[in-house]
Amino acid sequence: ETGVTQTPRHLVMGMTNKKSLKCEQHLGHNAMYWYKQSAKKPLELMFVYNFKEQTENNSVPSRFSPECPNSSHLFLHLHTLQPEDSALYLCASSPRVMNTEAFFGQGTRLTVV
Amino acid sequence: DQQVKQNSPSLSVQEGRISILNCDYTNSMFDYFLWYKKYPAEGPTFLISISSIKDKNEDGRFTVFLNKSAKHLSLHIVPSQPGDSAVYFCAASARYGGSQGNLIFGKGTKLSVKP
Repeated sequence: ETGVTQTPRHLVMGMTNKKSLKCEQHLGHNAMYWYKQSAKKPLELMFVYNFKEQTENNSVPSRFSPECPNSSHLFLHLHTLQPEDSALYLCASSPRVMNTEAFFGQGTRLTVV
Repeated sequence: DQQVKQNSPSLSVQEGRISILNCDYTNSMFDYFLWYKKYPAEGPTFLISISSIKDKNEDGRFTVFLNKSAKHLSLHIVPSQPGDSAVYFCAASARYGGSQGNLIFGKGTKLSVKP
């Protein structure tokens, strides 16, 4: 078991679709994160959750909507995305915010057509 | 403007030799630095870290060096093995002076270790 599990691994969606990415961690961590990795760009932090509360939104467009129902689960709801949103979306967790050794999931490869 | 830069997109090394991966940063508030390793189709995995109060941290074949005055860190892998072939990401954090939990990543360096 990898500790941080993301589903689905691959997703193709149209610009008018609504879909959700799921992340689950079995490490007992209290902080969870969404990162985006576009081609030839560094990993970019999107959202930070600490004890289920969102503590950071890194200027992410509203077509990305995160949800953290508990410390073990994190969702990213996607709505009316653009082709330039195609990227690898990575979930991560850490024991607490500012404990910066984050553990990453395998990512969801998203393609918007 | 990138705060963490890995200027070499790729590096090729012979098995058994030393691999040196470099990273430069611009934000003097960074006080914690990490290296992550990523295989294809997998998420990044934590490799080694260093606090700004140190200039060296060693873990087996992996050593990270930090030169604060030059705002430069490097990862040394000795001896290099074919299984080390992966993309290596440098990351930095300002734990007490910046956004909580905000790891700033470089673009990565793809290391290829030839048998």
